[in-house]
Amino acid sequence: SQTIHQWPATLVQPVGSPLSLECTVEGTSNPNLYWYRQAAGRGLQLLFYSVGIGQISSEVPQNLSASRPQDRQFILSSKKLLLSDSGFYLCAWSMGDRGYEQYFGPGTRLTVT
Amino acid sequence: AQKVTQAQTEISVVEKEDVTLDCVYETRDTTYYLFWYKQPPSGELVFLIRRNSFDEQNEISGRYSWNFQKSTSSFNFTITASQVVDSAVYFCALSRPGANSKLTFGKGITLSVRP
Repeated sequence: SQTIHQWPATLVQPVGSPLSLECTVEGTSNPNLYWYRQAAGRGLQLLFYSVGIGQISSEVPQNLSASRPQDRQFILSSKKLLLSDSGFYLCAWSMGDRGYEQYFGPGTRLTVT
Repeated sequence: AQKVTQAQTEISVVEKEDVTLDCVYETRDTTYYLFWYKQPPSGELVFLIRRNSFDEQNEISGRYSWNFQKSTSSFNFTITASQVVDSAVYFCALSRPGANSKLTFGKGITLSVRP
């Protein structure tokens, strides 16, 4: 069966510091991968998605970036965090060739101070 | 453009009551998929159901049931005999078929079930 992991689970970082969140998927190959952000009490915002290694599409211009160095690894990064980057970050995967459901990881709660 | 509207923002019920969560969608596509997700307090989104646009058959899974009506562009979710463990945020979502498909989420409904 497929599983998706995210780490860290929680993170407190000062403004201006770098960020690296990691997501890995097991039990499937060539998945579509997604990064979402959920601000407190609000809906889900798609940040990036990837249909293959090195292929990243950005949905919202911001100081975040994403990379996919391996088939089942998706990384969300920032060189300098802003207060507005605080939120709950969710990684998700879906079957590579269909518009089917996405399966979400446990999330990372980021607080920028 | 695709859009999902969940007009209810918060619902509070007493345990054992039935509750219906509304979802209205907009799309120009003839083929599309509809979804419901549950987000408990732990935060992880849990997939509940996917419905294809060409299958309007209602579905029941235990205490959960879904009513899909293309004529009104609605995909409503009913919880029968609600329990405290049903307390969560529920999201309705819409997508197109295809490898590059993305989910369009509604803003979510916060359901509180009181003992």
